[in-house]
Amino acid sequence: QVQLVESGGGVVQPGGSLRLSCGASGFTFRTYAMHWVRQAPGKGLEWVGVLSYDASHEYHADSVKGRFTISRDNSKSTLFLQVNSLRPEDTAVYYCARDPGPGIHYNMDVWGKGTTVTVSS
Amino acid sequence: EIVLTQSPATLSLSPGERATLSCRASQSVSTHLAWYQHKPGQAPRLLIYEASNRATGIPARFSGSGSGTDFTLIISSLEAEDFAVYYCQQRNNWPPSFTFGPGTKVDIK
Repeated sequence: QVQLVESGGGVVQPGGSLRLSCGASGFTFRTYAMHWVRQAPGKGLEWVGVLSYDASHEYHADSVKGRFTISRDNSKSTLFLQVNSLRPEDTAVYYCARDPGPGIHYNMDVWGKGTTVTVSS
Repeated sequence: EIVLTQSPATLSLSPGERATLSCRASQSVSTHLAWYQHKPGQAPRLLIYEASNRATGIPARFSGSGSGTDFTLIISSLEAEDFAVYYCQQRNNWPPSFTFGPGTKVDIK
């Protein structure tokens, strides 16, 4: 079945870096744009960024611009989120989510269960 | 940037009752609005897209309506598995960016 599984979260000090991964299965990964969304403890959902199916277009929320980068390996059906210069306010569960098509549409139709990033000294 | 507000923040209802959730946008989003259900420790689940279209596998008790700035999600008869947080979401046109409402928690009365 269609599935997204995130990994790579952990505890990191302020200013540190992590690389999150999202493995996809059950669909043709290379034909879908992909998103990252996060949820801080006790807060709602916050969109982080999106990458088009061929990695030619990448867009981010202002809160992470210049610090977070999205990439993908279509040969391995895997999405990545490189998070640098981490701040305590980046502490959250990070979800990957599928866009309904190759371009950037208006919603996300499949989600993973998330991986937790904690930024703390 | 378009801001979404949701009301009420919390809705306390009993199984079998009807739930009516509201989402308001600070400016028109046409019908480009989606609804999601989220339970603790689980993946968020797309319920409704383009304001009124049920996503694949979503039961008929979930329905969405609205256009422009005012949207409604109705759960016609609550079942035990429906107690969760519900978010609305829209996309700003250019550059593409996405915003979620603050959520409505539907809990058991």
